[in-house]
Amino acid sequence: QKEVEQDPGPLSVPEGAIVSLNCTYSNSAFQYFMWYRQYSRKGPELLMYTYSSGNKEDGRFTAQVDKSSKYISLFIRDSQPSDSATYLCAMLDTGNQFYFGTGTSLTVIP
Amino acid sequence: DAGVIQSPRHEVTEMGQEVTLRCKPISGHDYLFWYRQTMMRGLELLIYFNNNVPIDDSGMPEDRFSAKMPNASFSTLKIQPSEPRDSAVYFCASSLAITGYGYTFGSGTRLTVV
Repeated sequence: QKEVEQDPGPLSVPEGAIVSLNCTYSNSAFQYFMWYRQYSRKGPELLMYTYSSGNKEDGRFTAQVDKSSKYISLFIRDSQPSDSATYLCAMLDTGNQFYFGTGTSLTVIP
Repeated sequence: DAGVIQSPRHEVTEMGQEVTLRCKPISGHDYLFWYRQTMMRGLELLIYFNNNVPIDDSGMPEDRFSAKMPNASFSTLKIQPSEPRDSAVYFCASSLAITGYGYTFGSGTRLTVV
């Protein structure tokens, strides 16, 4: 079993839809949780990071962490064509090791 | 700041040849990471440096891979000899600290070994 599981998609939604992206993990030692966005032929860029369980909001993006269920989510409200990208979750454990999900490909159709 | 700069952007080489990938991290970032990305395996950490010193190279697949960081503004990842299974996108990333921050990634080097 991988440390981090992420549905690869692809996910296709109409413009304006609410998008939900999810990752599950098995390691209780994970303490930091991040979401990266990667456009085609570009490096990943950090979207959001959070330490604790609960929600963190930044504009149209909300990151949610549920440590008891070992589950994290990224919600995108009012999705735009410019949100079309691959989204990767990432986690850092107490030993300072990063673990990345394999990414979910999202297409927002105008 | 120009961000993390990688070169070359694309590299096509024949099996058995030596390949050198280059990275310039963001000035002031103490951590530098080399990652490899493939469709099958996603992002894999190969090695990371702290203040130019290699800290963890457990992800380096085999002795054909080597990485150096001679100073705070330059790092190389070398593959010798290269093999077709090394074909991937190689990313360099840098960070201010190991915790509490994400990485800033470069645009990557797309390596094809034929």
